[in-house]
Amino acid sequence: GQNIDQPTEMTATEGAIVQINCTYQTSGFNGLFWYQQHAGEAPTFLSYNVLDGLEEKGRFSSFLSRSKGYSYLLLKELQMKDSASYLCAVRDQNYQLIWGAGTKLIIKP
Amino acid sequence: EAGVVQSPRYKIIEKKQPVAFWCNPISGHNTLYWYRQNLGQGPELLIRYENEEAVDDSQLPKDRFSAERLKGVDSTLKIQPAELGDSAVYLCASSLRTSGQDTQYFGPGTRLTVL
Repeated sequence: GQNIDQPTEMTATEGAIVQINCTYQTSGFNGLFWYQQHAGEAPTFLSYNVLDGLEEKGRFSSFLSRSKGYSYLLLKELQMKDSASYLCAVRDQNYQLIWGAGTKLIIKP
Repeated sequence: EAGVVQSPRYKIIEKKQPVAFWCNPISGHNTLYWYRQNLGQGPELLIRYENEEAVDDSQLPKDRFSAERLKGVDSTLKIQPAELGDSAVYLCASSLRTSGQDTQYFGPGTRLTVL
């Protein structure tokens, strides 16, 4: 079966750095997405990786290793507004997105 | 540019009643998705349209759920009759299905409560 694993919840301090990991086992691979979802709101697109390596976008970076079935989302200079769930999703060989359950990130002052 | 529009935002109904959700995708997006999301879980795909054609509806409970996308733009998802277990957030997303990234953009969702 297809599977995406992420930690259920993480806690970090305002101003710090946090890394959210995602491991996947899917039928084929056609890209990996990270979305942010605030409570009661829709997911919003953060980043996309299809080749190995690091993609940087402001305070957020995403890394991919296809051989290890592994990705992480790195958030720097954490702000209170970063408190949200972070969803990892992998597009499989049928071009369908397989979603993880999300990691709830709690930022403390 | 306007995002994905959904209505209503909230709906409370009693079990066995019908309910319908409406979605207007981002202009020019040819692919439209309906997802269901339960609390603490990722979205679950119900149906995917490419233009007017439903190309993936394997996860749609066809005994009570139906969907349509007339003219390849707006879409409606219907549940009849609703059951208690249908309480969830129903998300609509759209994308421009060409080669490459094909990012999905989501609407605000409809939160359904079945009593």
